Amino acid sequence: GNSVTQMEGPVTLSEEAFLTINCTYTATGYPSLFWYVQYPGEGLQLLLKATKADDKGSNKGFEATYRKETTSFHLEKGSVQVSDSAVYFCALSSNTGNQFYFGTGTSLTVIP
Amino acid sequence: DAEITQSPRHKITETGRQVTLACHQTWNHNNMFWYRQDLGHGLRLIHYSYGVHDTNKGEVSDGYSVSRSNTEDLPLTLESAASSQTSVYFCASSPDWAQETQYFGPGTRLLVL
Repeated sequence: GNSVTQMEGPVTLSEEAFLTINCTYTATGYPSLFWYVQYPGEGLQLLLKATKADDKGSNKGFEATYRKETTSFHLEKGSVQVSDSAVYFCALSSNTGNQFYFGTGTSLTVIP
Repeated sequence: DAEITQSPRHKITETGRQVTLACHQTWNHNNMFWYRQDLGHGLRLIHYSYGVHDTNKGEVSDGYSVSRSNTEDLPLTLESAASSQTSVYFCASSPDWAQETQYFGPGTRLLVL
């Protein structure tokens, strides 16, 4: 079946620290992988995505590389800002359907 | 600009009452989804639709129903609200083709007393 496992939170970092949020997946077929971000009181927004192995998604300084050999899609940012404080969700969409499978979310707080 | 809206944004109701949450999108997307978000569970799929008059059950569909009479709207009905249905509900939509991005509404926070 399809599932996503992501790093438990909460994560607290100082401003300008390096961020990694781990995400691994199990999927049938060839999934697309996504990172969504949820700011307080808002809905989920697409942060980045990758549709095939070795693709790198990037946006707003965040990056994630689709690693088929390790079934991973870890989110990284070199220097976090207070405005990056949010909940981050890893998700996959299988090529056998239009459904998404979400991880449980990782809460990030960045302190000045 | 095209968008997806949900109403109401906040709702308080009593156990046993019927409640309907609205979702409206202006992208002309065929695919629409309802999720609930609870601490420790992330997002769980309630129901989804791939087009007019099509509805499908998701992972946690018991106690919920949907109907799709047009492309733009997918209302979610709680037939007889229970305290276990206190949650934040998100609607999403996506284009036809597989693996395309889902776009989310702002959410409805529901409290069942």
